[in-house]
Amino acid sequence: KAGVTQTPRYLIKTRGQQVTLSCSPISGHRSVSWYQQTPGQGLQFLFEYFSETQRNKGNFPGRFSGRQFSNSRSEMNVSTLELGDSALYLCASSQRDWTGELFFGEGSRLTVL
Amino acid sequence: TQLLEQSPQFLSIQEGENLTVYCNSSSVFSSLQWYRQEPGEGPVLLVTVVTGGEVKKLKRLTFQFGDARKDSSLHITAAQPGDTGLYLCAGAQSGGYQKVTFGTGTKLQVIP
Repeated sequence: KAGVTQTPRYLIKTRGQQVTLSCSPISGHRSVSWYQQTPGQGLQFLFEYFSETQRNKGNFPGRFSGRQFSNSRSEMNVSTLELGDSALYLCASSQRDWTGELFFGEGSRLTVL
Repeated sequence: TQLLEQSPQFLSIQEGENLTVYCNSSSVFSSLQWYRQEPGEGPVLLVTVVTGGEVKKLKRLTFQFGDARKDSSLHITAAQPGDTGLYLCAGAQSGGYQKVTFGTGTKLQVIP
């Protein structure tokens, strides 16, 4: 079956702009998590959605937000972009029965100039 | 805050050598995963261990979960250039909703 799909793969924005990233999970997976990956901080948890509800949130400012739709697809939004938001944003889906296993997309590489 | 420390951070070895990567925490996890990530790609799940003392083998890779479920190790026998990548451990705790905590990562380079 198809894996996790993230769009766009690459994007360049300038400071102050906003960006929306999209994630389509593996069919049948209802949990979607978002992570930010940078060379200095590693993989940092942003938030997790299950059945359109945010169940958990990491320590990121309110500029970072997300949502999940009834078909389990998810979007995350970053407003008022800062240089430090440049990162690889990874989406992962997981099955209903929680095992801790995450299935990642290829990521969206955001560069803020 | 749960922390997963991996060591070493960087490892550069010759093809054919053996290596071990460690993942340590002060927290107890219900399960622990190992992932490998290549540049520009997302992490790919290698294995899940759930029982204290559990050992799993995946071809030349051997994974062990500590008896107290706080630490884990990954041993690679006769490393090959295709093993090059970033190795990440991740711990999960059960009980309703939860987030997965990732380790700091080990960047492995296998030189032909």
